[in-house]
Amino acid sequence: EVQLVESGGGLVQPGGSLRLSCAASGFTFSSYSMNWVRQAPGKGLEWISYITSSSSSIYYADSVKGRFTMSRDNAKNSLYLQMNSLRDEDTAVYYCARVVSSTGTASWGQGTLVTVSS
Amino acid sequence: QPVLTQSSSASASLGSSVKLTCTLSSGHSNYIIAWHQQQPGKAPRFLMKVEGSGSYNKGTGVPDRFSGSSSGADRYLTISNLQSEDEADYYCETWDSKTYVFGTGTKVTVL
Repeated sequence: EVQLVESGGGLVQPGGSLRLSCAASGFTFSSYSMNWVRQAPGKGLEWISYITSSSSSIYYADSVKGRFTMSRDNAKNSLYLQMNSLRDEDTAVYYCARVVSSTGTASWGQGTLVTVSS
Repeated sequence: QPVLTQSSSASASLGSSVKLTCTLSSGHSNYIIAWHQQQPGKAPRFLMKVEGSGSYNKGTGVPDRFSGSSSGADRYLTISNLQSEDEADYYCETWDSKTYVFGTGTKVTVL
């Protein structure tokens, strides 16, 4: 069974930093591209970043480009999101998700809440 | 990049059917989309992918009541024999070479 478990969320002040992690199990992590997707309170889903299986390509939404960095460690079956210069509007539940070729996002984690507030 | 358009809400009676629409923007009518269900307070769940041909492939454990279809730039999700647990938000998703896009979601209410 595919399992994705996010951690690292919490309360942070505007301008601060936070690092999210996602532990993957139940599939060959090194064979799959991954997404980070977020959802602000009461709002819809917003894609924010994508990474290929080998980390050869990483893409970001304009809303986080230059502030967030996505990475992975295939030896540890782990995905990361380093978030810097956080803003109020970054407050959201952050989901890591497994991408399947020609299918899109095929598996979701349970999410971790990030609250940016003074 | 593609844009996905969804109606904001839909409702139907318990045991009836509801058909949700996700419309791809001009120039992207042949794109594959995925449907996701998000029940209140829960993480999203992948339901199926729907191709421009109308063929669809469901995720593990998705009930037979859920089906997909397609017409032109429209991708559909039909829920038959509507159950109370089907009351949820439904999002469509597609992707391009460097970006993923979600629709704004349709809230389904079971009457």
